Amino acid sequence: DVKVTQSSRYLVKRTGEKVFLECVQDMDHENMFWYRQDPGLGLRLIYFSYDVKMKEKGDIPEGYSVSREKKERFSLILESASTNQTSMYLCASSSVGQANEQFFGPGTRLTVL
Amino acid sequence: AQSVTQLDSQVPVFEEAPVELRCNYSSSVSVYLFWYVQYPNQGLQLLLKYLSGSTLVKGINGFEAEFNKSQTSFHLRKPSVHISDTAEYFCAVSDHSNTDKLIFGTGTRLQVFP
Repeated sequence: DVKVTQSSRYLVKRTGEKVFLECVQDMDHENMFWYRQDPGLGLRLIYFSYDVKMKEKGDIPEGYSVSREKKERFSLILESASTNQTSMYLCASSSVGQANEQFFGPGTRLTVL
Repeated sequence: AQSVTQLDSQVPVFEEAPVELRCNYSSSVSVYLFWYVQYPNQGLQLLLKYLSGSTLVKGINGFEAEFNKSQTSFHLRKPSVHISDTAEYFCAVSDHSNTDKLIFGTGTRLQVFP
């Protein structure tokens, strides 16, 4: 059974803290994605990685950075968390190719106080 | 630039009734189209996708969608819904020049009542 796992389901942090969200996939996928999901806004792409150490900004990269040191792991970093980053964060992975399916993790609900 | 519009944020329906969830897209190039479903407290999973060929696409759990190029639509349908279909449904698009990335709509919450 293919899997994308995220390190935490729920996370509470204080404003100004550095936050790490981890995502691991076991499907040997080249592509990995971080999305943010907010009510009424759907999913918005934060960052995309198409290979180890390769990354590309998505639609809303401000306030976030990413790291991909190994193929199976893609980390999202909030350098200094702010209350407007309270949201659901979804990680996904896919193989390279013609509109291949993205496989999603269960999500991390982050609350910044 | 591409965009996806899901006009209905919520669709309430009784069990065993038919349902249609609407999706329209705008793009200047040829596209691939997807429907994903998100059950409560879970990530998204693929329901169906249109790449080419027949405009009627069948997916999992009895859902189907029809690609209409002239109306730039990809509406999702099910002839008879179950309580277990209660979930949020997302339409998404990618274009032929950059097939790895998806643009998602804002989602439609389907609520099935007994």
